[in-house]
Amino acid sequence: NAGVMQNPRHLVRRRGQEARLRCSPMKGHSHVYWYRQLPEEGLKFMVYLQKENIIDESGMPKERFSAEFPKEGPSILRIQQVVRGDSAAYFCASSLMTGRNEKLFFGSGTQLSVL
Amino acid sequence: QQPVQSPQAVILREGEDAVINCSSSKALYSVHWYRQKHGEAPVFLMILLKGGEQKGHDKISASFNEKKQQSSLYLTASQLSYSGTYFCGTDSASGNTPLVFGKGTRLSVIA
Repeated sequence: NAGVMQNPRHLVRRRGQEARLRCSPMKGHSHVYWYRQLPEEGLKFMVYLQKENIIDESGMPKERFSAEFPKEGPSILRIQQVVRGDSAAYFCASSLMTGRNEKLFFGSGTQLSVL
Repeated sequence: QQPVQSPQAVILREGEDAVINCSSSKALYSVHWYRQKHGEAPVFLMILLKGGEQKGHDKISASFNEKKQQSSLYLTASQLSYSGTYFCGTDSASGNTPLVFGKGTRLSVIA
């Protein structure tokens, strides 16, 4: 029973390039969350999606960042024209339902390094 | 609004106890606790729902005081495997709002 799968584990990009981060939720889970983690900063919420819908994107920068969770395939977090400040670990989590007593299952993260 | 965790870091010897606190400026509906080891994914520990409950998981337990908008995580007779960063995640609004996590507490257990 595979957990939340993220790839790649490490991604190196030069300034101005695009970064695509993939997340396959646990089997049967239709709720996906993306968090960004900087050292000593904890997990910062970015976006919450259900299949084909963005539910809450209040934590995502308005420019250069976008996310999708298509009917088929993984959720994608896309960062266009990356800058050095985008370097961070990006974690995806999934849950079976939405609600106060639903635990999140996290993937192992993608470490993005912008040169 | 991000909950505040204290202490930021703590070092324990095996067998010692520790308490990690999490407080919010908003009314809370639930508090979640996760542990993350270096280079790994955060792993769920427990959820506490509104109602002032206390939960336990092996020698790790937690309490939730909704009036004070606080939760505490208790680690008893710590083991080397307890080392990691502990995060509380809070749910302070109605509807489908995602968890907001604190900055974490780094716990190091030494032999």
